[in-house]
Amino acid sequence: EPEVTQTPSHQVTQMGQEVILRCVPISNHLYFYWYRQILGQKVEFLVSFYNNEISEKSEIFDDQFSVERPDGSNFTLKIRSTKLEDSAMYFCASSVNSDEKLFFGSGTQLSVL
Amino acid sequence: GNSVTQMEGPVTLSEEAFLTINCTYTATGYPSLFWYVQYPGEGLQLLLKATKADDKGSNKGFEATYRKETTSFHLEKGSVQVSDSAVYFCASNTNAGKSTFGDGTTLTVKP
Repeated sequence: EPEVTQTPSHQVTQMGQEVILRCVPISNHLYFYWYRQILGQKVEFLVSFYNNEISEKSEIFDDQFSVERPDGSNFTLKIRSTKLEDSAMYFCASSVNSDEKLFFGSGTQLSVL
Repeated sequence: GNSVTQMEGPVTLSEEAFLTINCTYTATGYPSLFWYVQYPGEGLQLLLKATKADDKGSNKGFEATYRKETTSFHLEKGSVQVSDSAVYFCASNTNAGKSTFGDGTTLTVKP
């Protein structure tokens, strides 16, 4: 079965640094998402992306966050100046349609020190 | 707004016991409903889904029925195994595209 792949699996960074989390969605999918899960808490929606633009974002997704699809295969999440509270598992997901099931990647564990 | 409420955990069962994890939702419109599973150290995986009322999703011995009248999507399995130990998330998905997740229920199955 096709998979969503995420790199790196672990990222450690200093507070205030920029990080870019990378994702390769499934090739025929049109909708892309980022979610995060702070340890022991629920999975939270960050942003959805379709047709090269953000279609919806949560209140978590402030000006420090941005997403990009720089080429035909990658989908990235950038955090401009990381904070301690950004430490979480970040999941990328993609779907064929907006009301279809999401396929999740295995996540990037971000640790901000 | 949309929300998903699922049974608080953790849940500890003996092997071959019957499992129920309750899930109820509130949503505008008619969402698709999902159960995702997260095994230790891994990402989220779709377990099963149902897209309309009275649909039953099933996979790996797990079942859940989309009940519109009670706005529920309870997860059941007749006989759990140690390998079923994981965190289970109920989720709803509207046409807006994003999924709303419950808090997750940790299941531990003991031999």
